[in-house]
Amino acid sequence: KQEVTQIPAALSVPEGENLVLNCSFTDSAIYNLQWFRQDPGKGLTSLLLIQSSQREQTSGRLNASLDKSSGRSTLYIAASQPGDSATYLCAVELWANNLFFGTGTRLTVIP
Amino acid sequence: TAGITQAPTSQILAAGRSMTLRCTQDMRHNAMYWYRQDLGLGLRLIHYSNTAGTTGKGEVPDGYSVSRANTDDFPLTLASAVPSQTSVYFCASRMVGGVNNEQFFGPGTRLTVL
Repeated sequence: KQEVTQIPAALSVPEGENLVLNCSFTDSAIYNLQWFRQDPGKGLTSLLLIQSSQREQTSGRLNASLDKSSGRSTLYIAASQPGDSATYLCAVELWANNLFFGTGTRLTVIP
Repeated sequence: TAGITQAPTSQILAAGRSMTLRCTQDMRHNAMYWYRQDLGLGLRLIHYSNTAGTTGKGEVPDGYSVSRANTDDFPLTLASAVPSQTSVYFCASRMVGGVNNEQFFGPGTRLTVL
């Protein structure tokens, strides 16, 4: 079974700081990896999806990288803002329809 | 565009009772999913459907059933609820085989089984 780990579980940073969230997975034979954002009491919002053949994806201040051989992905957030405060989840698709989620990193950006 | 809607938003249910959680998407996605989210365990896949008329079991299917009579709707039924089914349930959908395989999620249903 695919194990997905996100460390740290919680992170607090001052506004304006650049930060990196980490995701590691045990089985490198993945189809894709997806990063989500979840606000308290809400559903998940897709941020970035990296196909297994890709190394990174960018959207605005977000950049996600993927290193399949080492079983790692990072989500880089530039110039953090209080509105970025949320829980960030990574999910790995091992084979079709089998998406494995990490337990998330709860980010707080302090004004 | 509404995207994915789920009903009810929350529900308190007596153990042993049955309940159907509703999910509707208006994006004409072929694949739909049901997850449960529990503290410390993350999201786990319950059942999925690749296309109307087909369903499959996920990681934690026991105690749940689904149907996919048409493209838009994917109800999840608890035949006889137990307290361990207390959770937040999320429905998701995506277009498999499309340009982007990302999953889109509904707002969730918070279920408490007493």
